[in-house]
Amino acid sequence: ETGVTQSPTHLIKTRGQQVTLRCSSQSGHNTVSWYQQALGQGPQFIFQYYREEENGRGNFPPRFSGLQFPNYSSELNVNALELDDSALYLCASSSGTSGKTRETQYFGPGTRLLVL
Amino acid sequence: AQSVSQHNHHVILSEAASLELGCNYSYGGTVNLFWYVQYPGQHLQLLLKYFSGDPLVKGIKGFEAEFIKSKFSFNLRKPSVQWSDTAEYFCAVIPNAGNMLTFGGGTRLMVKP
Repeated sequence: ETGVTQSPTHLIKTRGQQVTLRCSSQSGHNTVSWYQQALGQGPQFIFQYYREEENGRGNFPPRFSGLQFPNYSSELNVNALELDDSALYLCASSSGTSGKTRETQYFGPGTRLLVL
Repeated sequence: AQSVSQHNHHVILSEAASLELGCNYSYGGTVNLFWYVQYPGQHLQLLLKYFSGDPLVKGIKGFEAEFIKSKFSFNLRKPSVQWSDTAEYFCAVIPNAGNMLTFGGGTRLMVKP
């Protein structure tokens, strides 16, 4: 166990809806990264939050957005859901310095999202 | 931007066989390298990592990996696999001055008892 928790574990939504996924980082970690893992593929970087600011973004459209709170927990929001958004969404926490994540990222169990 | 290639998508071995999983990356600068494992029904766990120093790194459960800078490779090895090593293995790279961890597509290993 890494100490990183995510909720909910599973979610079913319909196309066009909005979804919010939550992540609690490991104690002492100030950086949270989100990844999308489609079936049969490796995780893909969505974005990272460091001290409540977005600190890097992968190749995902603006309808993917996030927040980080003062306790370093984080949310991932996806608007206007599409069928291709069906995937496992992973959160990882780490202790970064100046937003440069040289340290190991520890992953949560993920939220499995199905869009119908 | 960096990229990671894992050449073997599926590997089937018998117990006690030796394992080597290939990983190559493309990036022009200094990188940090990782191998993660995902056991069935479990979350991603760190096997080992390379930041600097000795290019041969040892991880948990008898795994090791060798960083060969000239070949942009970070292959994972284990001398003798066990049934419990059945899992999916991911190689990942992050630039030393960056924050985007890039994963390979994964290698699914099945170890037959």
